[in-house]
Amino acid sequence: SQKIEQNSEALNIQEGKTATLTCNYTNYSPAYLQWYRQDPGRGPVFLLLIRENEKEKRKERLKVTFDTTLKQSLFHITASQPADSATYLCALEDQAGTALIFGKGTTLSVSS
Amino acid sequence: NAGVTQTPKFRILKIGQSMTLQCAQDMNHNYMYWYRQDPGMGLKLIYYSVGAGITDKGEVPNGYNVSRSTTEDFPLRLELAAPSQTSVYFCASSPRDSTNEKLFFGSGTQLSVL
Repeated sequence: SQKIEQNSEALNIQEGKTATLTCNYTNYSPAYLQWYRQDPGRGPVFLLLIRENEKEKRKERLKVTFDTTLKQSLFHITASQPADSATYLCALEDQAGTALIFGKGTTLSVSS
Repeated sequence: NAGVTQTPKFRILKIGQSMTLQCAQDMNHNYMYWYRQDPGMGLKLIYYSVGAGITDKGEVPNGYNVSRSTTEDFPLRLELAAPSQTSVYFCASSPRDSTNEKLFFGSGTQLSVL
């Protein structure tokens, strides 16, 4: 079965620095990978989707890379702000192509 | 535009009681999902539906039932509540067409079984 791992449970950085979160997966080659943000007490909110034929995708201060050889995605937040503090989840499509499987998430804390 | 609406937001059940978690979406999405989230464990898929009248089991379906009589509604039923079902439950929907595979989540139901 598919397995998806987010290497760090928690990441603490200073304001202005770049946060880099890692997502690794095994046993499957998904057509795309997604990243979500979740704030305490709220449901996840979609941020970015990257497809298997895309190496990199950007949205404002966010950048996602997708290395299908390494089976890894990196999620970067540049010029981080305290408002970026949240839990970030990566997700990929299951083999049946009907649902998303989520990693456990990485909780990012940005201090001023 | 309400998106995905879940009710109730909080609920405390006694062991053995039953309840239905409600989920409704107004975006005309075919795909709907129920996930549960335990602390430090990520989101686990309970059930999903690809359209009205069609449902299927996810990773952790035991102790739950679903129905999908309309495109808008996807209720989750707990028949005999157990402490292991204490969790936060999220409903989500998606159009899942070729250009939009993202999920839209509700705000969740926090359930405690005591």
